[in-house]
Amino acid sequence: DTAVSQTPKYLVTQMGNDKSIKCEQNLGHDTMYWYKQDSKKFLKIMFSYNNKELIINETVPNRFSPKSPDKAHLNLHINSLELGDSAVYFCASSQEVRETTDTQYFGPGTRLTVL
Amino acid sequence: GQNIDQPTEMTATEGAIVQINCTYQTSGFNGLFWYQQHAGEAPTFLSYNVLDGLEEKGRFSSFLSRSKGYSYLLLKELQMKDSASYLCACMDSNYQLIWGAGTKLIIKP
Repeated sequence: DTAVSQTPKYLVTQMGNDKSIKCEQNLGHDTMYWYKQDSKKFLKIMFSYNNKELIINETVPNRFSPKSPDKAHLNLHINSLELGDSAVYFCASSQEVRETTDTQYFGPGTRLTVL
Repeated sequence: GQNIDQPTEMTATEGAIVQINCTYQTSGFNGLFWYQQHAGEAPTFLSYNVLDGLEEKGRFSSFLSRSKGYSYLLLKELQMKDSASYLCACMDSNYQLIWGAGTKLIIKP
């Protein structure tokens, strides 16, 4: 069974469209994250949720909106897609109550290509 | 500012030993992680150091010197499957992970 799963794995779309990426973890973790990995391979944190509560919101355009219906799911919705949004988006989770150093487990990634 | 530095690329020979260095400057320090990422795949956890010294785990070892802001990942008895990127990440005072760009390790027969 996949611990952290994301759908879709590949997403190709036109500029200006709205798209969503879904993430689910079956590890019973309290905290989930969204990262963006660009062509230079830097992993940049975008959002972090702990028990459905937003705890990290880095400088990300408000076109990006995370939604956490329950602590096992953290979806990412992107409005008005731009060329610069093309990247690989990773979901991750950790058994973390705030202020601990638990290992993060990553999903397989979603490669978003905006044309 | 916060910064993680590691070499962009390294090449080593199958069966040999390679050391991947990482230097960091972060606001506060709550430990350093090493992750392995194969091309097109997700990062996977390798090691965590928060105290000075060497942590050994099979063929992989990780070392930390907090006073020097320095860590290394040591890979022994290299195998072709070890070809991957190795990401160094520090947890800062806010318990956020700050990531390096990764070191692409190429293993040659």
